[in-house]
Amino acid sequence: EPEVTQTPSHQVTQMGQEVILRCVPISNHLYFYWYRQILGQKVEFLVSFYNNEISEKSEIFDDQFSVERPDGSNFTLKIRSTKLEDSAMYFCASSEAPPASSYNSPLHFGNGTRLTVT
Amino acid sequence: GDSVTQMEGPVTLSEEAFLTINCTYTATGYPSLFWYVQYPGEGLQLLLKATKADDKGSNKGFEATYRKETTSFHLEKGSVQVSDSAVYFCALSGRMDSSYKLIFGSGTRLLVRP
Repeated sequence: EPEVTQTPSHQVTQMGQEVILRCVPISNHLYFYWYRQILGQKVEFLVSFYNNEISEKSEIFDDQFSVERPDGSNFTLKIRSTKLEDSAMYFCASSEAPPASSYNSPLHFGNGTRLTVT
Repeated sequence: GDSVTQMEGPVTLSEEAFLTINCTYTATGYPSLFWYVQYPGEGLQLLLKATKADDKGSNKGFEATYRKETTSFHLEKGSVQVSDSAVYFCALSGRMDSSYKLIFGSGTRLLVRP
């Protein structure tokens, strides 16, 4: 069964450094997402991406964050200048249609990248 | 704003026990409701969903009924197995096609002992 893959599984970076988290969504999916989970807290929506542009973003997704689909397969999340509070598990997801659509199109999640900012 | 509240864990049960994980929501309109499961070391997987009031979602022996009157979507299973040990997340999404995000609860860890 096709799956969403994320690399690396664990990333350690120093405060102030730039970090890029990588994801390969399922090949026929059109909608892409990033979520994060700070340890012990809720899974939070960051951003969704469709047709090469951001379709929705949360308040968390400020100017320090950006997303890109540089080629036909990868979907990346960049944090320009990491802060301690960016330490979290970051999940990439993809789907054929938006989650609220009547079409049965669940989000498929990757296994996550654990980001540790020191 | 929209939100999801789940019972806190961990929930510890013996094999073959009955499981209930409570989930209530606050939302404008009529959201779609979901249960996701996360097994150790893996990503979130959709377990079941319901898109309108009184719908019952079911999968792998788990079921949940969309109750508009109580704004609830409790997860149940009649007889749990050790392999059901995981973290379970309740989630909702808005009814508008333009809504792209899922709003998750905090997750409930289930531990099933042999």
